[in-house]
Amino acid sequence: EAQVTQNPRYLITVTGKKLTVTCSQNMNHEYMSWYRQDPGLGLRQIYYSMNVEVTDKGDVPEGYKVSRKEKRNFPLILESPSPNQTSLYFCASTRTWGYGYTFGSGTRLTVV
Amino acid sequence: KNEVEQSPQNLTAQEGEFITINCSYSVGISALHWLQQHPGGGIVSLFMLSSGKKKHGRLIATINIQEKHSSLHITASHPRDSAVYICAVRSETSGSRLTFGEGTQLTVNP
Repeated sequence: EAQVTQNPRYLITVTGKKLTVTCSQNMNHEYMSWYRQDPGLGLRQIYYSMNVEVTDKGDVPEGYKVSRKEKRNFPLILESPSPNQTSLYFCASTRTWGYGYTFGSGTRLTVV
Repeated sequence: KNEVEQSPQNLTAQEGEFITINCSYSVGISALHWLQQHPGGGIVSLFMLSSGKKKHGRLIATINIQEKHSSLHITASHPRDSAVYICAVRSETSGSRLTFGEGTQLTVNP
């Protein structure tokens, strides 16, 4: 089944403890991206990647890192999480610009 | 003012009604996406438009590039259509970045 797999689905952590949210797609898509969703602010793009070793900042990249060492994987790294990074996170992928996106199931992160 | 504005923010309808959700944007775009977010949180891509009109089942999406406006229509609405509908645009100048509207919460009552 074609899908984007995010892990974990739920995570509660403490301020400053490094964490990684994984994202993997099995559709050989070139483009992958990360978003956060907050009440009243909607979805906002954090980072995106157009191919292996090619990444760029979205609208809210502060406090996040990404890497794209393999085409299928695009992990989101929070080196020192803070409470304002408590949010619902989505990973998505697409073949290229003329196609729709496939989203992961989301990761609900709480930083205390 | 947000680059992408949706209306209405909330919409309640009776089963069978024809529904329209609107999206206006303020920048030149290369593509516009309509997404559906289920009550459980999952997001599904419904349409990608760069011009004209697309139809899938009971859903129809249109875009008017000159007026910077898109609409999502649902014919013969059903309670299972209850979800948040989100408009997103990829602007001509922002590369691969997507900018999202805040979404329209649709509730269809039986």
